[in-house]
Amino acid sequence: EAQVTQNPRYLITVTGKKLTVTCSQNMNHEYMSWYRQDPGLGLRQIYYSMNVEVTDKGDVPEGYKVSRKEKRNFPLILESPSPNQTSLYFCASSFWPPDRNEQYFGPGTRLTVT
Amino acid sequence: RKEVEQDPGPFNVPEGATVAFNCTYSNSASQSFFWYRQDCRKEPKLLMSVYSSGNEDGRFTAQLNRASQYISLLIRDSKLSDSATYLCAVNAGKSTFGDGTTLTVKP
Repeated sequence: EAQVTQNPRYLITVTGKKLTVTCSQNMNHEYMSWYRQDPGLGLRQIYYSMNVEVTDKGDVPEGYKVSRKEKRNFPLILESPSPNQTSLYFCASSFWPPDRNEQYFGPGTRLTVT
Repeated sequence: RKEVEQDPGPFNVPEGATVAFNCTYSNSASQSFFWYRQDCRKEPKLLMSVYSSGNEDGRFTAQLNRASQYISLLIRDSKLSDSATYLCAVNAGKSTFGDGTTLTVKP
């Protein structure tokens, strides 16, 4: 089954404790992206990747890191989480170019930072 | 001003009603347009692409007006199962999403 998977689905953590949210897709998509969704602010892009070893900042990259060592995986790293990073996070992927193709979203990760 | 703006909603309609959502965008270089559906606390899923000539998929019709820079989604004969949040996505090199419009269809 074609899908985007994310783990964990729910996470409660404390300020400053490094965490990684994994994302994997099995559709051989070149493009992968991370979004956060907050009430009243919609979906905002954090980082994106056009292919292996090619990543770039989205609209709200501060406090996040990513890597793309393999085509299928695109982990999101929070080196020192803060309460303002409490949000619902979605990973998405698509064929290249992303502005011509449908994006497939993972099920979401609900993160709470206390 | 946001790059993509949607009707604020929420829309509360009875079963069988016709409802329309609009989405305006500011970047005239936008290339492609989509409507996504998002159920509560779940991931967005593609509902339909929006083509220049307009397109229909069953009870759903999407239209694009490049001159006025907006897209629309029309839902005819609303069902209870149509209750969700509808997000528009406007692409110009990257995807920019609207905040979404919430639709509740009531018996």
